[in-house]
Amino acid sequence: SQTIHQWPATLVQPVGSPLSLECTVEGTSNPNLYWYRQAAGRGLQLLFYSVGIGQISSEVPQNLSASRPQDRQFILSSKKLLLSDSGFYLCAWSASGDLNIQYFGAGTRLSVL
Amino acid sequence: AQSVTQLGSHVSVSEGALVLLRCNYSSSVPPYLFWYVQYPNQGLQLLLKYTTGATLVKGINGFEAEFKKSETSFHLTKPSAHMSDAAEYFCAVKGAGNNRKLIWGLGTSLAVNP
Repeated sequence: SQTIHQWPATLVQPVGSPLSLECTVEGTSNPNLYWYRQAAGRGLQLLFYSVGIGQISSEVPQNLSASRPQDRQFILSSKKLLLSDSGFYLCAWSASGDLNIQYFGAGTRLSVL
Repeated sequence: AQSVTQLGSHVSVSEGALVLLRCNYSSSVPPYLFWYVQYPNQGLQLLLKYTTGATLVKGINGFEAEFKKSETSFHLTKPSAHMSDAAEYFCAVKGAGNNRKLIWGLGTSLAVNP
C-alpha cells in the first residue's frame, strides 16, 4: 500500500533563517506531488505541484520554492523565512491518471518568530 | 472557471442530530467531486468521492453525499452526529481536462455539542 511521510511535524524558526521541508511517498511510481499551506482559520492554498522529476509548477509568487530531485521526493524550501510564512504545510500525492484523488501527509506546523 | 462554495464556515449541531454541510460547485465539464475531513493538527483524509454512476455516494464514518446536477450541489450528510465528527470538512472538484489540481472550498468547521 502507499504511504506518505512528511517531516518534521513541528518547526520553530527565526525570521531570516532557511527552511527545508521534506516529503516522500512509498508504494507508487510517478506520482503527482503537491505542497499546500493552511494559514490559521483559512482554507487550503496550493503552493506547488509536480507531475515528474524536475517539473515544478508554482501557483503563487512567494518566498518559497520547491524541488523534486527524485521520483517520490518533494522538498519545500526557503532561503530566508518571513513572519508570513508561518502556517500548516501539507504535502499530498495523487496517482497519474484521470481521477486525481489526493492523499495527504500529516503536515508540518511552522512557526516563524 | 471552476469553483467550489461551502455555505457556512462554522456549523454546530447537537450529538445525535443530523449533520448537513453544504457544497455548491461550478464546472464546465462533468465534475469529479470530493469531500475530505481534517482533524486538528492532522492531514486531510478522503471521506467520499463522486465520479460517475450512482448519485448518492457513501463514505467512511457514516457520511454520505448526493450529487445533484440540476442544483450543482454535493451536500454532505450524516443522520446522527457523534462527538468524534468534530473536524474541518472540505469540498473539492477536480480540475478540468488534464489539470492535476483540485479546486477547494474554504472549509466548514463542524462542532458537535453534548
